[in-house]
Amino acid sequence: GAVVSQHPSRVICKSGTSVKIECRSLDFQATTMFWYRQFPKQSLMLMATSNEGSKATYEQGVEKDKFLINHASLTLSTLTVTSAHPEDSSFYICSAAGGPSLGYTGELFFGEGSRLTVL
Amino acid sequence: EDQVTQSPEALRLQEGESSSLNCSYTVSGLRGLFWYRQDPGKGPEFLFTLYSAGEEKEKERLKATLTKKESFLHITAPKPEDSATYLCAVRGVGYQKVTFGIGTKLQVIP
Repeated sequence: GAVVSQHPSRVICKSGTSVKIECRSLDFQATTMFWYRQFPKQSLMLMATSNEGSKATYEQGVEKDKFLINHASLTLSTLTVTSAHPEDSSFYICSAAGGPSLGYTGELFFGEGSRLTVL
Repeated sequence: EDQVTQSPEALRLQEGESSSLNCSYTVSGLRGLFWYRQDPGKGPEFLFTLYSAGEEKEKERLKATLTKKESFLHITAPKPEDSATYLCAVRGVGYQKVTFGIGTKLQVIP
């Protein structure tokens, strides 16, 4: 149980285009989802927190107009990188916090990650 | 602000050579301390949650312990398949955010 699926695992795009990454909780309802970005030899950096049916809360320094997050259902959240540039190239990882169905204890369950390369 | 410091940054062990990874933390009211394993190019895989000082949890060759200021991940008789980066994270009372350390990259040599 507690499986989170993320898609695509790798994406290459041209500068100026937009890219959408999907994150799904497969066997539980995720009331809260988190989006992280990871640079080599650095810790996971929280970008934003999204709660189902409400606007995402962005961390300081994260451009909400560039990184659009939608959490339309209890099993799906999406991250859209708009007008991507080479500096947006990174490893993006989503995670979900289990809700009442998992006897919520605070653990995060992570997707497989998405490697974005902007040319 | 919550802080998590992991040491060492990298650790190289011979197969069967037991050791410990350290996670020092500061948090305003610990709601949970988490250990994850991350393989290259993959998302973190959940290992343990610890909630209070004195608590211990085990899984195969791994054992996690917790004090009021730090946590240890003990690896007993490691195997090459235990090679990975081990991440420590904390969550404080009253909020959802989880703060991660940089991790310890473990390499187990046959």
